[in-house]
Amino acid sequence: KAGVTQTPRYLIKTRGQQVTLSCSPISGHRSVSWYQQTPGQGLQFLFEYFSETQRNKGNFPGRFSGRQFSNSRSEMNVSTLELGDSALYLCASSLGYDTQYFGPGTRLTVL
Amino acid sequence: GENVEQHPSTLSVQEGDSAVIKCTYSDSASNYFPWYKQELGKRPQLIIDIRSNVGEKKDQRIAVTLNKTAKHFSLHITETQPEDSAVYFCAASICCSNGMKTSYDKVIFGPGTSLSVIP
Repeated sequence: KAGVTQTPRYLIKTRGQQVTLSCSPISGHRSVSWYQQTPGQGLQFLFEYFSETQRNKGNFPGRFSGRQFSNSRSEMNVSTLELGDSALYLCASSLGYDTQYFGPGTRLTVL
Repeated sequence: GENVEQHPSTLSVQEGDSAVIKCTYSDSASNYFPWYKQELGKRPQLIIDIRSNVGEKKDQRIAVTLNKTAKHFSLHITETQPEDSAVYFCAASICCSNGMKTSYDKVIFGPGTSLSVIP
């Protein structure tokens, strides 16, 4: 099976802009989770979608939102970007109840 | 809220020695504990996991132990090799115990341990 894919792989934005990241899970996986990874904070959980419903949410401001489509593909949106949003954004897919498989990530730089 | 602590944050060992990374979790309902390895510039990848109905699991040079009473779990790497150098993350979550989804909670990751194996 093809692995988890994320697009784009790299992104440069300026403060105040918004950005949308995409994640395609492994075929048959219904759960997609999003994480923010920074050198100082490790892997921070953003949210998880299962069958188009947000099932869990981390402690991030409302500027961070997501959705999942009927084909399990997921998008994450960040509005009004701040410098501190610069990070590697990883998505992970799973059948919905255990092992997560990570994508390669999207490296977001906010200038 | 749920929390996973991980120690040490950095670990340097000589090639051939053993490495041990320890994690503690706060939610006593957690029953699934995966370990991920992230090499520089690459995505995290699962290397081993353990469920709460098992006290120890081994896969070649890697072993994980779980003490549910103390809410501790540890990763043991024996005969370390330079290619073991990476950041290791432990995690805890609430998961089904019989392969069927009965409940699910978010996966909480530890802050990571940077392991360096010196040739």
